[in-house]
Amino acid sequence: QKEVEQDPGPLSVPEGAIVSLNCTYSNSAFQYFMWYRQYSRKGPELLMYTYSSGNKEDGRFTAQVDKSSKYISLFIRDSQPSDSATYLCAMSAARDDKIIFGKGTRLHILP
Amino acid sequence: DGGITQSPKYLFRKEGQNVTLSCEQNLNHDAMYWYRQDPGQGLRLIYYSQIVNDFQKGDIAEGYSVSREKKESFPLTVTSAQKNPTAFYLCASSISGKHSPLHFGNGTRLTVT
Repeated sequence: QKEVEQDPGPLSVPEGAIVSLNCTYSNSAFQYFMWYRQYSRKGPELLMYTYSSGNKEDGRFTAQVDKSSKYISLFIRDSQPSDSATYLCAMSAARDDKIIFGKGTRLHILP
Repeated sequence: DGGITQSPKYLFRKEGQNVTLSCEQNLNHDAMYWYRQDPGQGLRLIYYSQIVNDFQKGDIAEGYSVSREKKESFPLTVTSAQKNPTAFYLCASSISGKHSPLHFGNGTRLTVT
């Protein structure tokens, strides 16, 4: 079982819809969770950073962590064509310096 | 404006030649990283450095070398020993390297023919 699993997509949704992106993981030691957005031929940019379980909201973005299920989600409300990108989840454990990335989900928002 | 600068954006080399990719940051971050990104493979860690004059191998270090002589700079050399060097290379930095989120440059696309 891979440490971090993420559906590669592509995921196509109409403009204005709520988008749900997810990752599952196997290492129960992970405590730090991140979501990055990557546009084509650009570097990833940090969207959300959370510690342990719970929700965090920033504008149209909400990150959710469920440690009991080893499942994290990113919700995008009122999706826009400019949200079309690849979304990478990432996580790390308290005792480890390395950040483990999912392979990314390609998202297309249809005008 | 603080950030990470990778140059050049595109690089072309002949097989058998070594090539060095530049990465400079003015964020005053302690830790710096090199990742390789291939389609369908996600991000794979090549090398990382948490302090000047010290660095560690990542998951795919074979065929690569780095140096960290200055806090701001972390160049990556792709040697002729790297079997499949054509890829998108990303440099990143973080404040402390301990669970701090990464800040990425915009990458260098290396093509070796």
